[in-house]
Amino acid sequence: NAGVTQTPKFQVLKTGQSMTLQCAQDMNHEYMSWYRQDPGMGLRLIHYSVGAGITDQGEVPNGYNVSRSTTEDFPLRLLSAAPSQTSVYFCASSYTGGIWSYEQYFGPGTRLTVT
Amino acid sequence: GDSVTQMEGPVTLSEEAFLTINCTYTATGYPSLFWYVQYPGEGLQLLLKATKADDKGSNKGFEATYRKETTSFHLEKGSVQVSDSAVYFCSVGNFNKFYFGSGTKLNVKP
Repeated sequence: NAGVTQTPKFQVLKTGQSMTLQCAQDMNHEYMSWYRQDPGMGLRLIHYSVGAGITDQGEVPNGYNVSRSTTEDFPLRLLSAAPSQTSVYFCASSYTGGIWSYEQYFGPGTRLTVT
Repeated sequence: GDSVTQMEGPVTLSEEAFLTINCTYTATGYPSLFWYVQYPGEGLQLLLKATKADDKGSNKGFEATYRKETTSFHLEKGSVQVSDSAVYFCSVGNFNKFYFGSGTKLNVKP
C-alpha cells in the first residue's frame, strides 16, 4: 500500500512552459485534491475532485487545470508557468461522506521553481 | 467563506513544558476539525480530529476539543519532547472543501 504518490519531487521550469504534476493513490478514495504551500500562508486549495469525471475549483484555481479519468489518478496541469507559481504542491486524498469530511492523506510534495 | 486562524510561531519551549497552540475557525454547516503535523521535507500527517461539538481528539499525548460555542479547536500537550518539533496546521473540512491555518512552527529544546 503506497498511499499517495507524487512525481516529480523537484522541477524547475522557465516562464511560459507547461507541465503536469502527477498524483496517484491506491486507497480507493473518492476525494482527491491539490494544494499549494507558500511560506506564511498555510495550504491553499487549488482544485478538488469527488470522483472520476467530477472536478471543481478551490481558492486559487487560476493557471491550473485538472481532470479525473480514473479513481486512482488526479494530475495537475500548469498551462503556462509563471514565477508566482513557484511553490510546494501537495496532493491529498480521502473518503467522502456527504456532509461529513474525513481526514486527508497527503503525498510527499513537489517543489516547483519557475524562473 | 470558511477560514482558519491559528497562532503565529515560532513557538520555542523547553522539553517537558506545556504546549498550547490556539486555533479558531469560521464555518457554516457541520464542519470537521483536524490538526496535522508536518516534519521537514515531508507532507502533512493527521495528528488528531473531531467531527462534532464537544468531541475530543487525542493522539500521542496531544489533545484538542471541538468547541462550537467559541469556534475553537486549540491543540494542547502536557509535556513536549524534542521529537515534537515540527509545523502544526489546524484545518476545517466542510462540504468537500478544506481550509488550513498558516501553520505554527514548534521548536522544543532539550
